[in-house]
Amino acid sequence: QKEVEQNSGPLSVPEGAIASLNCTYSDRGSQSFFWYRQYSGKSPELIMSIYSNGDQEDGRFTAQLNKASQYVSLLIRDSQPSDSATYLCAVNRYGNKLVFGAGTILRVKS
Amino acid sequence: DAGVIQSPRHEVTEMGQEVTLRCKPISGHDYLFWYRQTMMRGLELLIYFNNNVPIDDSGMPEDRFSAKMPNASFSTLKIQPSEPRDSAVYFCASSLFTLRHKEKLFFGSGTQLSVL
Repeated sequence: QKEVEQNSGPLSVPEGAIASLNCTYSDRGSQSFFWYRQYSGKSPELIMSIYSNGDQEDGRFTAQLNKASQYVSLLIRDSQPSDSATYLCAVNRYGNKLVFGAGTILRVKS
Repeated sequence: DAGVIQSPRHEVTEMGQEVTLRCKPISGHDYLFWYRQTMMRGLELLIYFNNNVPIDDSGMPEDRFSAKMPNASFSTLKIQPSEPRDSAVYFCASSLFTLRHKEKLFFGSGTQLSVL
């Protein structure tokens, strides 16, 4: 079992729709959770962090965490073509060691 | 600040040759990470340093890989001898440990390595 699992996609949504990206993790001791966005040919950049159960909102982005189910999700409201990218889920198991999922490709069609 | 600087951007070499990748972290950051990204395996952590000291090198694939951080502003990742399966994008990232932002990694632009 991989430490962090994501559906590779691609996930295709029409412009203006809500995109829902999901991630599961294997280590129940994981403490903090992140979503990074990576455009093709570029480096990853942090877009959301979440540390406790529930929702964390920032603009059009909402991260959701359910530690009992070991599940993290990212919702993107009013999706735009510029949101088309690979979204990487990352989990901090201990110390400062981030483990990344393989990423989900999102395509927003105009 | 110029961000994390990696060199070279692209490296093409032949199997068996030594490859050295270089990284300059953001000034003042106390953590430095080396990641490797491939289509098959995604983004894998190879090694990370705290205050120039290697903390966890469990991700280094084998003895052909070595990493050093002689000072706070410079790190190298060396592959000797290189093999075709080492072909990947190698990212360096740095972060500053604060309670609020300790896991916010700032990535360099990466080095695209091709071993023929």
